[in-house]
Amino acid sequence: RKEVEQDPGPFNVPEGATVAFNCTYSNSASQSFFWYRQDCRKEPKLLMSVYSSGNEDGRFTAQLNRASQYISLLIRDSKLSDSATYLCVVHGSSNTGKLIFGQGTTLQVKP
Amino acid sequence: GAVVSQHPSRVICKSGTSVKIECRSLDFQATTMFWYRQFPKQSLMLMATSNEGSKATYEQGVEKDKFLINHASLTLSTLTVTSAHPEDSSFYICSARDERDRYSPLHFGNGTRLTVT
Repeated sequence: RKEVEQDPGPFNVPEGATVAFNCTYSNSASQSFFWYRQDCRKEPKLLMSVYSSGNEDGRFTAQLNRASQYISLLIRDSKLSDSATYLCVVHGSSNTGKLIFGQGTTLQVKP
Repeated sequence: GAVVSQHPSRVICKSGTSVKIECRSLDFQATTMFWYRQFPKQSLMLMATSNEGSKATYEQGVEKDKFLINHASLTLSTLTVTSAHPEDSSFYICSARDERDRYSPLHFGNGTRLTVT
């Protein structure tokens, strides 16, 4: 089993749609969680950290379920510019800073 | 915010030559930096962890003699791809954390696209 698993998609949605991605992780001792966005042929960029209480940033909402070991990202009112690959990233229990990346979920927002 | 600079952004070289990629943390110190590689349509794969003042830690399957890592200062790590071959063509990305915050996210350089002909 992979340490961090995501459905690769692609998710094809119309503009304005709400779309949700899930990610599961295997290490129950994982301490911190992030969503990154990666555009084609570019480096990943931090989208948002994921907190235990859940957090929202504009149209984006991230949630963490430690009991079930999954993280979610909800995008409301999708824009064409949201088309990208979304990477679920988990920081392990050590303090080395080593992050584990999911393979990414590709989102295509269509007009 | 924390910024990581990577250079060059693109390089084309001939088989058998060596290529050096630099990664700098611009406004924070990083005793640890990370080097990733990404092939088309695949996820980022950690190659090695660069440690300031000591040897790098390589992930399983990554040849340390082929991918030389030097972390000579708290703001600079270099990756040298030695005797490059076409199968080394990939997108190489470095990253670092601001270690004042133990669980801060990684910040990435803008990547180096290596093409070996």
